[in-house]
Amino acid sequence: GAVVSQHPSRVICKSGTSVKIECRSLDFQATTMFWYRQFPKQSLMLMATSNEGSKATYEQGVEKDKFLINHASLTLSTLTVTSAHPEDSSFYICSAGATGREAFFGQGTRLTVV
Amino acid sequence: AQSVTQPDIHITVSEGASLELRCNYSYGATPYLFWYVQSPGQGLQLLLKYFSGDTLVQGIKGFEAEFKRSQSSFNLRKPSVHWSDAAEYFCAVGDTGGGNKLTFGTGTQLKVEL
Repeated sequence: GAVVSQHPSRVICKSGTSVKIECRSLDFQATTMFWYRQFPKQSLMLMATSNEGSKATYEQGVEKDKFLINHASLTLSTLTVTSAHPEDSSFYICSAGATGREAFFGQGTRLTVV
Repeated sequence: AQSVTQPDIHITVSEGASLELRCNYSYGATPYLFWYVQSPGQGLQLLLKYFSGDTLVQGIKGFEAEFKRSQSSFNLRKPSVHWSDAAEYFCAVGDTGGGNKLTFGTGTQLKVEL
């Protein structure tokens, strides 16, 4: 299957700082990328959908000013958690897809805000 | 809106025994269906998927799943479970755009007794 690389795999940051997570499709052009969040022992919840060159579409209840998503190219999308707080600690995972094919998942990022 | 139900939160089986994990979905059209496995602290690994065609789908690691439209089900099965199969299993339904945007079930935690 296709390869999607997510970086970093783990990050610890101080409360009030911002953290950027990258999601790269390494061997195909991803017209759409998805960002999910998973709290401990829970399922994955879709946060937002981003299409290359346009604004992301956020799911209900997700603060777009807090979770900034940029999809500047067909191979890279970034999620920036701004002014992070302990309640933002979670496992964030991206997926990359293209029309007519399934989405492929990155390895995930464990964010811990202290 | 699409939804997925995994009725069993936890399942325990003995090594060598057969396994069936249940998944029911709600979707207005022909669904794209997936089963993923997640080990602790890890990303998602795709076990198998159903887009169309043969309703019995073979996947990796000896898993299979059967799509039953009349029951809105996509149960995952394995004839003989190995201790390494212990993990969290997620069923997901994808949208009609190639199945890229996924809605996940709440997951089933599988424990394997030796």
